Amino acid sequence: NAGVTQTPKFQVLKTGQSMTLQCAQDMNHNSMYWYRQDPGMGLRLIYYSASEGTTDKGEVPNGYNVSRLNKREFSLRLESAAPSQTSVYFCATLGQRNSNQPQHFGDGTRLSIL
Amino acid sequence: AQKVTQAQTEISVVEKEDVTLDCVYETRDTTYYLFWYKQPPSGELVFLIRRNSFDEQNEISGRYSWNFQKSTSSFNFTITASQVVDSAVYFCALREDYQAGTALIFGKGTTLSVSS
Repeated sequence: NAGVTQTPKFQVLKTGQSMTLQCAQDMNHNSMYWYRQDPGMGLRLIYYSASEGTTDKGEVPNGYNVSRLNKREFSLRLESAAPSQTSVYFCATLGQRNSNQPQHFGDGTRLSIL
Repeated sequence: AQKVTQAQTEISVVEKEDVTLDCVYETRDTTYYLFWYKQPPSGELVFLIRRNSFDEQNEISGRYSWNFQKSTSSFNFTITASQVVDSAVYFCALREDYQAGTALIFGKGTTLSVSS
């Protein structure tokens, strides 16, 4: 998925460590999103950014912070990782809010907290 | 309250069988959008189809077809003559026009296993 790039693809952390997941897009989209995917739970929204300079909480924001550095980049930070944050994290973008266009997803970051 | 329900957690079929994946949604918005995504074993999310709330026309794309019925709040997905490559997790998702950020609300997914 060339439009949305997530780094790293895999990461293992110890409980209490911090880490930042990076997301960058080259589609000039305004809105960006962070989801987490857990077995049997589908994808749940952590945080989103409707435009550069704004961020808002989603369904499961606890334990996370985000930063919309510029229009291209939206990072997700775990300040003190916990085993419950073991998950696959997806970044997504959307061009026009009131359109039927689909969100574009990155390939995901698989994160394990020991 | 769950807004997108995919009641079938897992489905197993044999190649060439037809299979229907169910999706029921809940919304009070008059304008909304429905999507299906496929997640193969490699893990990426692949967009399959979108449907606007004001467009109830069913759609067929090769072996795939979608049946959207506002009266029953359903957006079901049928694969005809299934193949092993169809094995994946399939997600139905809803986007509401009024919702801040217009994020997707996902169902929990249906895991489809197609054996040869």
